[in-house]
Amino acid sequence: GNSVTQMEGPVTLSEEAFLTINCTYTATGYPSLFWYVQYPGEGLQLLLKATKADDKGSNKGFEATYRKETTSFHLEKGSVQVSDSAVYFCALSGTSYDKVIFGPGTSLSVIP
Amino acid sequence: DGGITQSPKYLFRKEGQNVTLSCEQNLNHDAMYWYRQDPGQGLRLIYYSQIVNDFQKGDIAEGYSVSREKKESFPLTVTSAQKNPTAFYLCASSFGPSYEQYFGPGTRLTVT
Repeated sequence: GNSVTQMEGPVTLSEEAFLTINCTYTATGYPSLFWYVQYPGEGLQLLLKATKADDKGSNKGFEATYRKETTSFHLEKGSVQVSDSAVYFCALSGTSYDKVIFGPGTSLSVIP
Repeated sequence: DGGITQSPKYLFRKEGQNVTLSCEQNLNHDAMYWYRQDPGQGLRLIYYSQIVNDFQKGDIAEGYSVSREKKESFPLTVTSAQKNPTAFYLCASSFGPSYEQYFGPGTRLTVT
């Protein structure tokens, strides 16, 4: 079936470090891919998305490229800030699906 | 401003009581969703609705009920049959199942 796998957390980084959160997926067809962010005590917010192979989604310094050959959508940021501390969810959906499939989430803590 | 509202932010109930969580959206979205999130855990889908007057069970529907009488509203009732109702509940909406979801701020329910 369709599924999303994310790297295990929690991830702890120092401010200004490079961030990578791995996401791989199993899906039929050509899904759209998403990254959501959840700050403590809040709902999820859409961070970025990509709707077809080789698309790059970007927002607030975060980037992810839709790699169909490796079925991956890794999240990257060149220099993290303390305010980036949150839980990050990778997700997928498609025209043949009836709902979005979410990964388990990866918790990120950035220390000064 | 368009968005999703959930009320209240915090809700306290005694065991054995039913409780209804509110979710309203003014984004003109057809689809709406309810998720449950436990501490340090990912999202689990409770119910979803793709159109007014129709809804489907998600992965953990037992002990919950919903209605979708209006496009804008998708209330969730947590019944006394739900064995462990204390959790963070998130409502979301989208234009359809293949589109990104927009989330409300969540309701934290505590049952004692």
